[in-house]
This record gives sequence, structure tokens and C-alpha cells, in this order.
Amino acid sequence: QVQLVESGGHVVQPGGSLRLSCAASGFNLRGYGIHWVRQAPGKGLEWVAFIWNDEKNIHHADSVKGRFTISRDTSRNTVYLQMNDLRAEDTAVYYCARDATRGWDLDYWGRGTLVTVSS
Amino acid sequence: QSVLTQPPSVSAAPGQKVTISCSGITGNNPISWYQQVPGAAPKLLIYASIRRPSGIPDRFSGSKSGTSATLGITGPQAGDEADYYCGTWDSSLNAMIFGGGTKLTVL
Repeated sequence: QVQLVESGGHVVQPGGSLRLSCAASGFNLRGYGIHWVRQAPGKGLEWVAFIWNDEKNIHHADSVKGRFTISRDTSRNTVYLQMNDLRAEDTAVYYCARDATRGWDLDYWGRGTLVTVSS
Repeated sequence: QSVLTQPPSVSAAPGQKVTISCSGITGNNPISWYQQVPGAAPKLLIYASIRRPSGIPDRFSGSKSGTSATLGITGPQAGDEADYYCGTWDSSLNAMIFGGGTKLTVL
């Protein structure tokens, strides 16, 4: 069955870097786009980044542009989120979610990985 | 800061119908709705503004008119207590946007 598993969340100091992974199983990444969505403690959902199945369509939220980079390795069926220059306001649970490719809905979500930025 | 506006909370008794609005929609992209129970990841409830994925009960419904969309829950159950979010792709921003979320309480 379709499954997304995030990993890589950790406690990191302000200004530090982290790379999150989203391992997909039960489907081929070549046919789908993947989003990263985050949720700060007690807050709502905030979209972070998106990579389309052809890798030509990549977008990042203004709040992370220039600091975060989404990428993918189709040989590993995995999507990554490289996060640099982390700030306290980046503290959140980070979810990856599959774009169903039929109208911008996210049909499968992982359980999330917690990133804490603190000194 | 959410571009889509939702009421912070709604409540309903079992047997009633409750609606959650999502306003401020621009462009023609469809709306999706997500349910997030405490401690869990969001789950897709409605896509293409009106369609339910397989496995979603028909007590959940979606509609869209102009710049607003609505999620309806007929006969909410205790297990439906959750946060509900609307979302869509904004082609002018090249970004996914979500509403601020609505907390449903079943009385």
C-alpha cells in the first residue's frame, strides 16, 4: 500500500542545517509530485515546498526561499528537504504528502518528523 | 498568514448538520479539505471541491461557489472531533495555501 515515511528530524541550533528524507513505497515517484508541509506547535498547516514528477516544476514558500531546497532521488524513491540557516520559527513537525495529480489535493501523508531549532 | 479564511471553531450536536466555510478563494483551482485528529497527520476528506476519496463516509460533503467553499458534516460523531483545513494551489503565488483551520466540537 502507499506509504510515506519521514526521517531526519532533530534538535538543531539556530543557523544550523538539517536534511529531511521522505521515503515512498507502494508507488513510483516518477508518476507523482511530493509536497512538504509543516505544522508549528499548536498552529495550523503551512506549505513549505513542492517537487513535480518531472523535476522541472519546483516551488518553495517565500518563508523558506533561499534557505530550504527540495529534491528527489528516483533510484531511492525518496524526496529530500535540505534546510539551511535554520531559525526558531522553523520549529515544527514536517510532513511529506503525495500530490494526487488530479487537482492539487494531497492524498497520502506521512506521520511527520519533528524539527526543533533551539540553542 | 493564511490567505484562506475559516472560522476558528464550530460545534454541533450529534444528528445536526454542521458546515465549515472557507473564503477568499481566487483563481479556478479546486479546493480540498483535510481532517486532522489530535496527534495524527492530516487526512484527505474532499478533493476537487466536491468529491470524496474512497473510504470517506458520505456524511462528509463539499461544495464551492464563487470565492467560497463549504465542508458539510451531517450527523457528526464523537470521532469527528478534529481540526479541519481547506487548501488549494494558488497559481499566482505558485504556492499551496491552507486555511487557518477550524476546530469541530461535537456536543
